[in-house]
Amino acid sequence: AQSVTQLDSHVSVSEGTPVLLRCNYSSSYSPSLFWYVQHPNKGLQLLLKYTSAATLVKGINGFEAEFKKSETSFHLTKPSAHMSDAAEYFCVVSVNRDDKIIFGKGTRLHILP
Amino acid sequence: GAVVSQHPSRVICKSGTSVKIECRSLDFQATTMFWYRQFPKKSLMLMATSNEGSKATYEQGVEKDKFLINHASLTLSTLTVTSAHPEDSSFYICSVPGRGSYEQYFGPGTRLTVT
Repeated sequence: AQSVTQLDSHVSVSEGTPVLLRCNYSSSYSPSLFWYVQHPNKGLQLLLKYTSAATLVKGINGFEAEFKKSETSFHLTKPSAHMSDAAEYFCVVSVNRDDKIIFGKGTRLHILP
Repeated sequence: GAVVSQHPSRVICKSGTSVKIECRSLDFQATTMFWYRQFPKKSLMLMATSNEGSKATYEQGVEKDKFLINHASLTLSTLTVTSAHPEDSSFYICSVPGRGSYEQYFGPGTRLTVT
């Protein structure tokens, strides 16, 4: 069975400091993994995706994530947080067989001035 | 990537009435679309898979008679919330799977409030 676990429901960082949002997955197949961001009362925006190519994936707005098979992790990072990064972040795994995807429970990122 | 629209973006209805939400894939044909529900400050929950030309596939615990899905064409799926009650108030989001990319393209969502 496939699953995805976001280890922190809330993360607070000061503006200008690094961001780390953790995600671990479980999959019987080679997974495709995604990070989406959702601002309040808005739809989902794709930040980046891993689909079996390079393990270090760069996304929009300075975010990147590294796929580590040995650790079954796909943590999201950013070197320097900006106030506009405050939002809900979802780690998602694709099971591929039927196009269904599974969402993590989300991590609320708070940026402190 | 695909462009997906939803209409309306927000709707308020009275308890007992029905509400239809449209999801359109604007730039490519989709034989499959997905409907999600998101409670406040919660993650997205897959409700059903909308299949063009056949019945929708519902996830466990989702009432198919309450949440009617019709995949009318290769670019349009509709979700009708029948006999809505306040507990149906939620954010409903549709998605279209990308072709060969395993990525999903999400609509902007519809905020339903039942009074």
